[in-house]
Amino acid sequence: KAGVTQTPRYLIKTRGQQVTLSCSPISGHRSVSWYQQTPGQGLQFLFEYFSETQRNKGNFPGRFSGRQFSNSRSEMNVSTLELGDSALYLCASSLGFEGSEAFFGQGTRLTVV
Amino acid sequence: AQSVTQPDIHITVSEGASLELRCNYSYGATPYLFWYVQSPGQGLQLLLKYFSGDTLVQGIKGFEAEFKRSQSSFNLRKPSVHWSDAAEYFCAVGTSYDKVIFGPGTSLSVIP
Repeated sequence: KAGVTQTPRYLIKTRGQQVTLSCSPISGHRSVSWYQQTPGQGLQFLFEYFSETQRNKGNFPGRFSGRQFSNSRSEMNVSTLELGDSALYLCASSLGFEGSEAFFGQGTRLTVV
Repeated sequence: AQSVTQPDIHITVSEGASLELRCNYSYGATPYLFWYVQSPGQGLQLLLKYFSGDTLVQGIKGFEAEFKRSQSSFNLRKPSVHWSDAAEYFCAVGTSYDKVIFGPGTSLSVIP
């Protein structure tokens, strides 16, 4: 079966702009989680959606938001971009049950200049 | 609060040597524990996971990990390392509703 697909793979944006990243989960998976990966902070949990509802949220400012559609595809939006938002953004999908295995996409590399 | 520590930022081993990557966690309940591997420019791949039962868990690519509740540890081991094992390794603890907390990672280099 097809894996988790993230688009685009690479993005370059300027400070102050906004950006939308997309994640298509594995067919049948209802949970989508987003992570930010940077050399300094490592992998940090952003939020998790299950059946179109945000079920968990990490400690990120309100500039980071997301949503999930009825087909389980998810988007993440970052508004008013800052240089520090440059990172690899990873999406993971799972069945959504407690402790279920998360399958990761290859990520979107966002560079803010 | 839940947390995961990986004491070793970077480890270098010779090909064919044994490997042990350390992981300690802090979590109030019985955790779900994972080890993931990340190759450069790639996403994360699950190596193995512990939910309950046998504390010695076998994973893919010849890896295994042992859960020790008394030490709050979940160390990853491999008896003989291959050059292709060079990557970043992440230990993680899963809490309710699929929220996974990752450790800072250990970078593994393999000397031919």
